Amino acid sequence: KQEVTQIPAALSVPEGENLVLNCSFTDSAIYNLQWFRQDPGKGLTSLLLIQSSQREQTSGRLNASLDKSSGRSTLYIAASQPGDSATYLCAVHTGRRALTFGSGTRLQVQP
Amino acid sequence: KAGVTQTPRYLIKTRGQQVTLSCSPISGHRSVSWYQQTPGQGLQFLFEYFSETQRNKGNFPGRFSGRQFSNSRSEMNVSTLELGDSALYLCASSLAVGPINTDTQYFGPGTRLTVL
Repeated sequence: KQEVTQIPAALSVPEGENLVLNCSFTDSAIYNLQWFRQDPGKGLTSLLLIQSSQREQTSGRLNASLDKSSGRSTLYIAASQPGDSATYLCAVHTGRRALTFGSGTRLQVQP
Repeated sequence: KAGVTQTPRYLIKTRGQQVTLSCSPISGHRSVSWYQQTPGQGLQFLFEYFSETQRNKGNFPGRFSGRQFSNSRSEMNVSTLELGDSALYLCASSLAVGPINTDTQYFGPGTRLTVL
């Protein structure tokens, strides 16, 4: 059974810092990995999708990497801003038409 | 292009009642999935529909059911509500070009269900 873990569970940083969020999964047989952002009480916003054949994806200040063999992904946020404060979730797709989610990292960027 | 919409946004029900939630996918998207989010269990997959057929189901009791219409809109129903059904119910849509559907999932804002 696929399990997804995100570390740390919570993170507080001053504005302007570069930061890394971690995601690990137990079964490397994945089709892709997706990073989401969730604001309090809201739905999920898709940030990046990395196919299993890819090593990284970039969108603006965000860069996500994938090492399928070791079961790890990282989300790098450059020059963090208060508007980046949210919960970040990673999810893996194992081919059963469903995503398995981690429990998320709650990020607070202090102005 | 409009995003995924869910109605209603908030619901309050009492134990034993039943509830129906609605989801309209992004135009052109053929697959609709449903997830339950709770503080204790996180996000858990309920089911996925494609062309009016349920293709996959998560580990939830039979009280949870769903359907998809010919225009890809989907509804989920929960019968005999329990206190533990209180959650944010999220719907996601995707193009589903391939049979396995590994496309980007786009989520709606969710329906917050409170069971008293």
